[in-house]
Formats: sequence, structure tokens, C-alpha cells
Amino acid sequence: ETGVTQTPRHLVMGMTNKKSLKCEQHLGHNAMYWYKQSAKKPLELMFVYSLEERVENNSVPSRFSPECPNSSHLFLHLHTLQPEDSALYLCASSQDPRQGGSVFSEAFFGQGTRLTVV
Amino acid sequence: RKEVEQDPGPFNVPEGATVAFNCTYSNSASQSFFWYRQDCRKEPKLLMSVYSSGNEDGRFTAQLNRASQYISLLIRDSKLSDSATYLCVVNSPQDSSYKLIFGSGTRLLVRP
Repeated sequence: ETGVTQTPRHLVMGMTNKKSLKCEQHLGHNAMYWYKQSAKKPLELMFVYSLEERVENNSVPSRFSPECPNSSHLFLHLHTLQPEDSALYLCASSQDPRQGGSVFSEAFFGQGTRLTVV
Repeated sequence: RKEVEQDPGPFNVPEGATVAFNCTYSNSASQSFFWYRQDCRKEPKLLMSVYSSGNEDGRFTAQLNRASQYISLLIRDSKLSDSATYLCVVNSPQDSSYKLIFGSGTRLLVRP
């Protein structure tokens, strides 16, 4: 069982569809993240959850809606996306140092969901 | 100014070469530093943490210069399998969250 699991691995959706990305971590971490990586571009941090509370929203459009029901699960709900939203969406988890983790609290990534909006 | 800046490369080197990557960060309050490796179409994976005194892991050596806000990664005796994008990662201290900021990456190509 891998540390961070994302489903689905690939998703093709139309601009009027609604879909959800799922992330589950088995590492006992208390912080989870959504990153977006467009083709040939750097990772962009989208959302940060610490202890199930959203602590950061990096000016992400409202067509992306995160949900963190518990410290092990993170969802990204998608609706009315645009073709430019096509990208690799990566979930990560870490132990927030402010909640007992080491200052060297690295992030572990899932394998990502490759999203194509048509 | 970007929070984390890296030379995008690509660095094209022969097997056995020594190659060095540099990274600068803007937030002097940052405390956590890492190098990640990302293979094509895969997720980033931790290569090594970077400690204040510098640290070595086999062929890889990481250095931190807090005064200059500069991090480096040295790879000795390059292997074909070292070909990847290397990401410099720095934490961005916030009261409300612990988050890691990724550089845009430096691409390394090791040729036979």
C-alpha cells in the first residue's frame, strides 16, 4: 500500500461535467495539499489543509472546490472547467512541524491525476 | 522576485561528469530545505533534505548558505539514471500553515 494514493490516475471530462479527484494518505500526517502542474511549468500550490482546516487558498478559481473530511482524505471537486485547466493534479501530505513534526518535514506525493478538459 | 529560483537548464553532461545546480530563495525566515527529483510524467520524490552544515548521500552533496540564501546540489560521477528534473524546495513560514514552495526545476540530461 503506497503512502499517498490518488484516484483516478487519468480523467477526461467535458467543460460542463462535474467530477471529483480523491487522495488518501496512509502516513499519519496532519497536513495535505493540492498542487497543479501544467505542461512544462513548475508546481503551483493550490490549497493547504492542516488538521482538516483549510489554511490556504492560493487564488484558485471557484470551479475548484477542495474538501478534507478527515486527516487521511482530501478531495478536489471540479465543475465547469476550462481547457486550460488540463494538467497533472498532485496531492501531497506532510507532518506540520507546528503540530509535532520535525522542521524537516518533507512532503510525500501521490502519483497524480492527469486531467484533460475537452 | 520568485520565492524560489533555479536555472532551468537543461544541463547536458556525459556519464561520469560532476554537475552542480544552484537555487536561491527569497524568504530569510525559511528553515526547511530539500531537493526533490521528478522524472518525466511522474510525481516529485524526495532526494535529500539540506542541513545547515551541508550533507552528503553517496554521490550527492547538498549545501546551504543562509547568508546568501542559496542552496546547491552537487552530483558526482553522473549516471544515465540521474537524468531527471531536480527541484529545489523551501518552506514558506506562515502563521497559519506549513507549506513548501517548489522551484521550477533544473533539467539534467546525462548522455552515454
